[in-house]
Amino acid sequence: DAEITQSPRHKITETGRQVTLACHQTWNHNNMFWYRQDLGHGLRLIHYSYGVQDTNKGEVSDGYSVSRSNTEDLPLTLESAASSQTSVYFCASSEERGLSYNEQFFGPGTRLTVL
Amino acid sequence: GENVEQHPSTLSVQEGDSAVIKCTYSDSASNYFPWYKQELGKRPQLIIDIRSNVGEKKDQRIAVTLNKTAKHFSLHITETQPEDSAVYFCAAVETGGFKTIFGAGTRLFVKA
Repeated sequence: DAEITQSPRHKITETGRQVTLACHQTWNHNNMFWYRQDLGHGLRLIHYSYGVQDTNKGEVSDGYSVSRSNTEDLPLTLESAASSQTSVYFCASSEERGLSYNEQFFGPGTRLTVL
Repeated sequence: GENVEQHPSTLSVQEGDSAVIKCTYSDSASNYFPWYKQELGKRPQLIIDIRSNVGEKKDQRIAVTLNKTAKHFSLHITETQPEDSAVYFCAAVETGGFKTIFGAGTRLFVKA
């Protein structure tokens, strides 16, 4: 069955280290998104991509970067991890059908702790 | 920038009662409004959505209403059950795109 996966599921790192969170989907969806979830803030958009070689900044993109070299993957990189980036990170994807928005399918999440 | 406000942040109801969650959005160009349910430790999942050309949509015990003039939309759950206990997120999506802005969430408790 098609799915969306994230790895690792849990990560502990130290301040200043570079961290990359993986997201992989097998639906062949054009659209992919990264969110962070913090208590009291809901889901906040970090970066999103509408296709290969396309990336866009979301609400809270500072300190994060993404690249889209193929349809299936959108890795999220924290260039120099900070304690404020301790959070649960969700990747999501959706199918592109013209200009109509469609349901986003979320991955299982990655819990990142920055010490 | 775009903003979605969601109220209340916590809602407790007795089993069988109704629950209403309200959201307002700031971007008048938004034209799609999904609602997601997130159970404890799980990923968010779509439960119902509404597009801007529709005022109301219903699916069994859940319904969503939209008032584009006032820029607010609501989720209604009737005959609540313990399994409805979860965090519910509203969202607004920009016209012609897929960028989604979520509300802060409502934690719903249904007491048996």
